[in-house]
Amino acid sequence: ETGVTQSPTHLIKTRGQQVTLRCSSQSGHNTVSWYQQALGQGPQFIFQYYREEENGRGNFPPRFSGLQFPNYSSELNVNALELDDSALYLCASSLEPGGDQPQHFGDGTRLSIL
Amino acid sequence: EDQVTQSPEALRLQEGESSSLNCSYTVSGLRGLFWYRQDPGKGPEFLFTLYSAGEEKEKERLKATLTKKESFLHITAPKPEDSATYLCAVYHTGNQFYFGTGTSLTVIP
Repeated sequence: ETGVTQSPTHLIKTRGQQVTLRCSSQSGHNTVSWYQQALGQGPQFIFQYYREEENGRGNFPPRFSGLQFPNYSSELNVNALELDDSALYLCASSLEPGGDQPQHFGDGTRLSIL
Repeated sequence: EDQVTQSPEALRLQEGESSSLNCSYTVSGLRGLFWYRQDPGKGPEFLFTLYSAGEEKEKERLKATLTKKESFLHITAPKPEDSATYLCAVYHTGNQFYFGTGTSLTVIP
């Protein structure tokens, strides 16, 4: 069984640029959630996608957007990058949305903004 | 304001010295409380889900319990390989997940 995979593992961008991060969900999982984890902090919920539709969003501005594809893989797009966007971005997948199923995480993309 | 607080922030234990980690929450409409383990440079690894007060789950040296306001992760006779950051997260009716900032556990041989 293949787990959650994320690409790239590391990325360096400059302020104002745009970035796309990718996530392949675990086999059989139709729900993907994205998180931002700053150094020394817990993950912060960005949004969740279920069957290609946004299914919940945390307190992040609209320049954070996402997509989910028919094969349940997902992208996180961030426009107009700011220094504070430097963080580990985690993707998690689950069998169904909601709290009934545990989320399984990838190892993240480390994004650095210069 | 919905909040998840974990304590202590850091904990150092001698091998074999049992202890507990705490996760207190103030979210309304709790639908699940999750415990994860995170190793440096890795994503969180799922440990337990608890749904209602009084529920308990066990896995090897770990035992998680839940009350109406908090959860405890008890570690019995820890080993150095139990060293990690332990994260607590809650899911509530707003379709949102809230994570605490974690407890960094170091087990000294």
